[in-house]
Amino acid sequence: NAGVTQTPKFRILKIGQSMTLQCAQDMNHNYMYWYRQDPGMGLKLIYYSVGAGITDKGEVPNGYNVSRSTTEDFPLRLELAAPSQTSVYFCASSYSFRGEYSNQPQHFGDGTRLSIL
Amino acid sequence: QKEVEQNSGPLSVPEGAIASLNCTYSDRGSQSFFWYRQYSGKSPELIMSIYSNGDKEDGRFTAQLNKASQYVSLLIRDSQPSDSATYLCAVIADYKLSFGAGTTVTVRA
Repeated sequence: NAGVTQTPKFRILKIGQSMTLQCAQDMNHNYMYWYRQDPGMGLKLIYYSVGAGITDKGEVPNGYNVSRSTTEDFPLRLELAAPSQTSVYFCASSYSFRGEYSNQPQHFGDGTRLSIL
Repeated sequence: QKEVEQNSGPLSVPEGAIASLNCTYSDRGSQSFFWYRQYSGKSPELIMSIYSNGDKEDGRFTAQLNKASQYVSLLIRDSQPSDSATYLCAVIADYKLSFGAGTTVTVRA
């Protein structure tokens, strides 16, 4: 059981370049999330999705875009990379927080370490 | 006010001692509470969940929840060097999971 898979694990970008961070889950979770974690800091929510075709902004969405065409995949797009986007990016998934699944935790991928120079 | 606040740390304890981690949250409607452990350079991993007032024990870990005081804590008994990590408190509120900034624990051998 793969769980949440993130690719790539590491990447170095030049300022102004674009890239897509991939995230896939095989647990049939309807909720998916993207977080960034700066050194010594907690997790900040970038975007989340409650199901295919539905996405919403988190705390720090500027400079990022997402799409959710399938239940399994939730890619994060960086347009015009900036040094401030140097961080570790985590993708996570869970069941809905409603009703019978209201006590289910999130499952995290291993992260993508991104440096922008 | 942040949705989830943790004691800032870092927390240094000798091997075999009890490490006590605290977390407060702002949404009185919160129903589910989690503690994650994150080793340096790794992703968070779930170690405890608690949903009702009182204590919940799992091995050397005990989670305590007081909804009236909007307070959740984690005790690590008989602390081991392998417990050295950052511990993240997470709370479900308004159908979203909010994380605290984390408390870094170092267990001294």
